[in-house]
Amino acid sequence: DGGITQSPKYLFRKEGQNVTLSCEQNLNHDAMYWYRQDPGQGLRLIYYSQIVNDFQKGDIAEGYSVSREKKESFPLTVTSAQKNPTAFYLCASSIWGGETQYFGPGTRLLVL
Amino acid sequence: DQQVKQNSPSLSVQEGRISILNCDYTNSMFDYFLWYKKYPAEGPTFLISISSIKDKNEDGRFTVFLNKSAKHLSLHIVPSQPGDSAVYFCAANTGTASKLTFGTGTRLQVTL
Repeated sequence: DGGITQSPKYLFRKEGQNVTLSCEQNLNHDAMYWYRQDPGQGLRLIYYSQIVNDFQKGDIAEGYSVSREKKESFPLTVTSAQKNPTAFYLCASSIWGGETQYFGPGTRLLVL
Repeated sequence: DQQVKQNSPSLSVQEGRISILNCDYTNSMFDYFLWYKKYPAEGPTFLISISSIKDKNEDGRFTVFLNKSAKHLSLHIVPSQPGDSAVYFCAANTGTASKLTFGTGTRLQVTL
């Protein structure tokens, strides 16, 4: 079954701690994306990557970092510089030049 | 600046009736529009899309209408079913999937 997996489903972060959210896809998609959803708001783009070893900042990249060492994987690190990290994080992917993005199930990040 | 707006945060419709969800946009560079359906604590599911060269696209019970002059699109669901109860997001891009801009969502409740 092709799809996008995100882990963990829930993640707890302590103050000053970096945490990494996993995103893996087996759809053979070239492009991958990270979004953040806050209550009552739409999805906001954090980072995206159209090819391996290349990524671009989205609208709200501050306090986040990514890597794209493999086509299938696009992990997101929420750093201690992100002062309001509590949110629902969604990973998506698409074919290169495709208009439609397909989403994973999401990770909810909570701060202890 | 909210480039994609969904002005109705919620909508309640009786089972069997038509649901109409609206979306307005301000960026005239947008040329591809998508609707996603989202259940709580899950990732959005792609529903239907429309290119700016069309004014209507139909898929089963779902039809999307695009009025470019008014910068307005709508999603019609006929007939509405209880399983349609979810949050619906409108999204737009400029023809490539690199930057999807989302609206804030409309919560649809289909009642018996």
